[in-house]
Amino acid sequence: EAAVTQSPRSKVAVTGGKVTLSCHQTNNHDYMYWYRQDTGHGLRLIHYSYVADSTEKGDIPDGYKASRPSQENFSLILELASLSQTAVYFCASRPTGFNQDTQYFGPGTRLLVL
Amino acid sequence: QQKVQQSPESLSVPEGGMASLNCTSSDRNFQYFWWYRQHSGEGPKALMSIFSDGDKKEGRFTAHLNKASLHVSLHIRDSQPSDSALYFCAASEQTGGYKVVFGSGTRLLVSP
Repeated sequence: EAAVTQSPRSKVAVTGGKVTLSCHQTNNHDYMYWYRQDTGHGLRLIHYSYVADSTEKGDIPDGYKASRPSQENFSLILELASLSQTAVYFCASRPTGFNQDTQYFGPGTRLLVL
Repeated sequence: QQKVQQSPESLSVPEGGMASLNCTSSDRNFQYFWWYRQHSGEGPKALMSIFSDGDKKEGRFTAHLNKASLHVSLHIRDSQPSDSALYFCAASEQTGGYKVVFGSGTRLLVSP
């Protein structure tokens, strides 16, 4: 089965600090995604990428940057963490191609900003 | 307004019972649907997709899509305590595209 791992699994950060969340996939998938999950909002897309060295904005990109240095790795960067960014963050990957839309999610990173 | 609305927010059924979850897209462009399931402390995992009108059955799970009303449902027959989870409906404009929009989820509790 497809494998997506995330690190760290949980993190406590201070307001104004820099936070980097990492994602690694061994699926050989082109697409990678970052979502945040908040109660009542489901999953909301922050950034995505379909090729190494390129990232695209999703629906809620403000306050977040993304980096895709290789096909396997995709990072989410909070340059100045804020209280409102407390959430659970999920990374996902999926293959390219018609009818290849199933996304494979990692276990999530629980971020608490104080 | 969210493009994908789910109901109910939460649902409780006895073990062995039938659970029925609902999802509607408010955007006529979003006609391709998936159901994902998320157990506590884990990431979501795809259950099934449905792109054509009618029913699609996979084991105890049956999805039904009505494209005219953009309504999709998920029915879980013979519900088990292990089915207790958060269920997401997701929709997209096309297959092979980059973007999938998720609903806010239905929390299912199956009581022994």
